Amino acid sequence: AQTVTQSQPEMSVQEAETVTLSCTYDTSESDYYLFWYKQPPSRQMILVIRQEAYKQQNATENRFSVNFQKAAKSFSLKISDSQLGDAAMYFCAYKSPGANSKLTFGKGITLSVRP
Amino acid sequence: DVKVTQSSRYLVKRTGEKVFLECVQDMDHENMFWYRQDPGLGLRLIYFSYDVKMKEKGDIPEGYSVSREKKERFSLILESASTNQTSMYLCASRPQLMNTEAFFGQGTRLTVV
Repeated sequence: AQTVTQSQPEMSVQEAETVTLSCTYDTSESDYYLFWYKQPPSRQMILVIRQEAYKQQNATENRFSVNFQKAAKSFSLKISDSQLGDAAMYFCAYKSPGANSKLTFGKGITLSVRP
Repeated sequence: DVKVTQSSRYLVKRTGEKVFLECVQDMDHENMFWYRQDPGLGLRLIYFSYDVKMKEKGDIPEGYSVSREKKERFSLILESASTNQTSMYLCASRPQLMNTEAFFGQGTRLTVV
């Protein structure tokens, strides 16, 4: 079974600075999908970014980018120019290939942004 | 926009009650999921369904059952609620396309007293 590990329960960043959230996973599959979700205090889970394992290029969405290291099974999220609205819980998730496969989540990390 | 709606945002029930948590999605998604979210434990999968009347156990199915009679609706049932089922419950749906993400409802915070 696949596992997702987020070892840092909390992190803090100064507004306008850059922060990196870590995620590692364990799998024997060669093809899979990885996601970062954001959960603000409103509780609504929002997709931040996705990465397909067969793509070598790291995904980027505006201020959010990933560092995907397939051999190391590492999938970290970098937030540039941090904003107060970035304060939330962030979850890393893994999905096997296959139409009906489930999402496996890490335990999450709480990010606070200092003004 | 995809919309996943959970019937209640907050719910308080008594120990031993039968509890129904309802989830409806409006995008004709095949797959639907129920997760439980607890501090320090992240999201854990309770049950999921990949088609009407089809269901599979997730990682923590004990004490729960589900029903999917229509494609758009996926219900989580607590047959006899217990205090250790006090938690946040999140419903999600996704199409069967392989590289798409899951879309979540706003969550139901259930308290069993």
